[in-house]
Amino acid sequence: DGGITQSPKYLFRKEGQNVTLSCEQNLNHDAMYWYRQDPGQGLRLIYYSQIVNDFQKGDIAEGYSVSREKKESFPLTVTSAQKNPTAFYLCASRPGQGNSGNTIYFGEGSWLTVV
Amino acid sequence: DQQVKQNSPSLSVQEGRISILNCDYTNSMFDYFLWYKKYPAEGPTFLISISSIKDKNEDGRFTVFLNKSAKHLSLHIVPSQPGDSAVYFCAASARTTGTASKLTFGTGTRLQVTL
Repeated sequence: DGGITQSPKYLFRKEGQNVTLSCEQNLNHDAMYWYRQDPGQGLRLIYYSQIVNDFQKGDIAEGYSVSREKKESFPLTVTSAQKNPTAFYLCASRPGQGNSGNTIYFGEGSWLTVV
Repeated sequence: DQQVKQNSPSLSVQEGRISILNCDYTNSMFDYFLWYKKYPAEGPTFLISISSIKDKNEDGRFTVFLNKSAKHLSLHIVPSQPGDSAVYFCAASARTTGTASKLTFGTGTRLQVTL
């Protein structure tokens, strides 16, 4: 089945540790995104990438890093510099072309808890 | 600065009645609007979108209305069903400014459809 796969679904991290969330899509979408959801704050954009080997900071990029070495993959690393990393993280992708070119589609999300 | 606002955090509607979810935006450059539905611990699912060249778009039980002069859009669900109970997010983007890849989300409205 085509889709966006995030892993792991649940992740616990000790303070001071880096952790990487995986996002893979087999939809042949050009653009990929990482959003974070906190209660009462909707979805906030962390990073996005429109093509391979290129990415831009979103609204809350501090404490995060990404890479886009392959079209299908857009991993997010939550570093120890991120002050409040406990959240629900959502990966998304966008076709980039056609009538639905501006609609983004989401994965199932990953829960990160810092203990 | 919240550019997309959903001022009603929750809404309760009886099954079979109409649900109306509202969204306001402040950025006059936004020209494409979307609604997403989200269940707990899952990724948002795209519902319906509308371009600023239209004032209405309909898809089955879902209709989105856009009032550009008031910078307001609404999602109508008729008839409402218990399975519609979820959080609904409004999102907007500015395709004409080259930032088409960025969606700005509201904080969501939790809809509960009662029997």
